[in-house]
Amino acid sequence: DAGITQSPRHKVTETGTPVTLRCHQTENHRYMYWYRQDPGHGLRLIHYSYGVKDTDKGEVSDGYSVSRSKTEDFLLTLESATSSQTSVYFCAISEGTGEAQPQHFGDGTRLSIL
Amino acid sequence: SQQGEEDPQALSIQEGENATMNCSYKTSINNLQWYRQNSGRGLVHLILIRSNEREKHSGRLRVTLDTSKKSSSLLITASRAADTASYFCAAAAGGSYIPTFGRGTSLIVHP
Repeated sequence: DAGITQSPRHKVTETGTPVTLRCHQTENHRYMYWYRQDPGHGLRLIHYSYGVKDTDKGEVSDGYSVSRSKTEDFLLTLESATSSQTSVYFCAISEGTGEAQPQHFGDGTRLSIL
Repeated sequence: SQQGEEDPQALSIQEGENATMNCSYKTSINNLQWYRQNSGRGLVHLILIRSNEREKHSGRLRVTLDTSKKSSSLLITASRAADTASYFCAAAAGGSYIPTFGRGTSLIVHP
């Protein structure tokens, strides 16, 4: 299995609080991604990174920010959590080439916002 | 918007039978990938097929791609209870290196 660790694995928090999810990889892959998975919507891209300090928005980026200060770590922050952000969050990594490469996923963070 | 859409949404079969899942996409692609997700786990990459390929095999998995119909199919032969999972297609539009995932097909294989 690809070396991807997500933390925490589960979190319950209240509306309006800040939340940070961490993704750590040991593969030295260039690309890292954050997705959310919700029933009826499948997997949707929130933000992605194509290198240290290089990030871009995905399909559902509103209410989320990211940072990547080191190759191995990609942080997802909910500045002020809302109930609509209750979801399962997945981090993924891939090698960088011209075409889409297979992505390797972590086991997810289940986030509940009350 | 979803680039890939799987059909059917759910599939229930007996062990030993074949399972076929279909994926349709909207725009021209550079490749299409299939993933499996077991309950409570992350997605696992199964097969990548490029736009200039028509068929690809990996063990009991067979993937076909028809670019004229903008569709792909995943066939699992001689299914096992351990194949019970959700299966997703992910299509990368031409020029993009980031695939868009469909909503998945939930497969249940009864022992």
